[in-house]
Amino acid sequence: DGGITQSPKYLFRKEGQNVTLSCEQNLNHDAMYWYRQDPGQGLRLIYYSQIVNDFQKGDIAEGYSVSREKKESFPLTVTSAQKNPTAFYLCASSPWTGRYTEAFFGQGTRLTVV
Amino acid sequence: DAKTTQPNSMESNEEEPVHLPCNHSTISGTDYIHWYRQLPSQGPEYVIHGLTSNVNNRMASLAIAEDRKSSTLILHRATLRDAAVYYCILREANAGGTSYGKLTFGQGTILTVHP
Repeated sequence: DGGITQSPKYLFRKEGQNVTLSCEQNLNHDAMYWYRQDPGQGLRLIYYSQIVNDFQKGDIAEGYSVSREKKESFPLTVTSAQKNPTAFYLCASSPWTGRYTEAFFGQGTRLTVV
Repeated sequence: DAKTTQPNSMESNEEEPVHLPCNHSTISGTDYIHWYRQLPSQGPEYVIHGLTSNVNNRMASLAIAEDRKSSTLILHRATLRDAAVYYCILREANAGGTSYGKLTFGQGTILTVHP
């Protein structure tokens, strides 16, 4: 089945540790995105990438890092510099060109830092 | 980036039509209007998008004002499964409409559907 997969679904980490969230897609989409969602809030853009080996900061990039070495993969690292990392993280992918612009989202990773 | 304004919440009864408004007074000529919805504890899903003309698909209809400063998502017969947060988003495109910018979400409208 084509789709976008985030893993793990739940993640617990100790304060001060870096943690990497996985996002993989087999939709052949050029663009990939990472969002953060806090309880009762909308989605805020962390990073996005239009092509391999290139990515752009979103609205809340501080304390996060990404890489885009393969078209299918866009991992997000939450570093110890992120002041309040506990949140729901969503990854998405979409075409960047052409007629169809629909974005597909993963099921999310709920990160809890204790 | 152009911004959108939506009501925080709306309510509807099952099997009645729902009209979800969105204001985007600073929209530019190359911005596409997108709607997504998010069910609890899930990622958002695409609903519909348009540029100037009204659009219909199996999920909903999108009515776009003539001046494009507002739009309305129409659910023709609400069901309990339509209870979700609905996001209205502007996505920039190039002049030819062949490549697109990032997706930036606002706060959305929480739709409650009563049996």
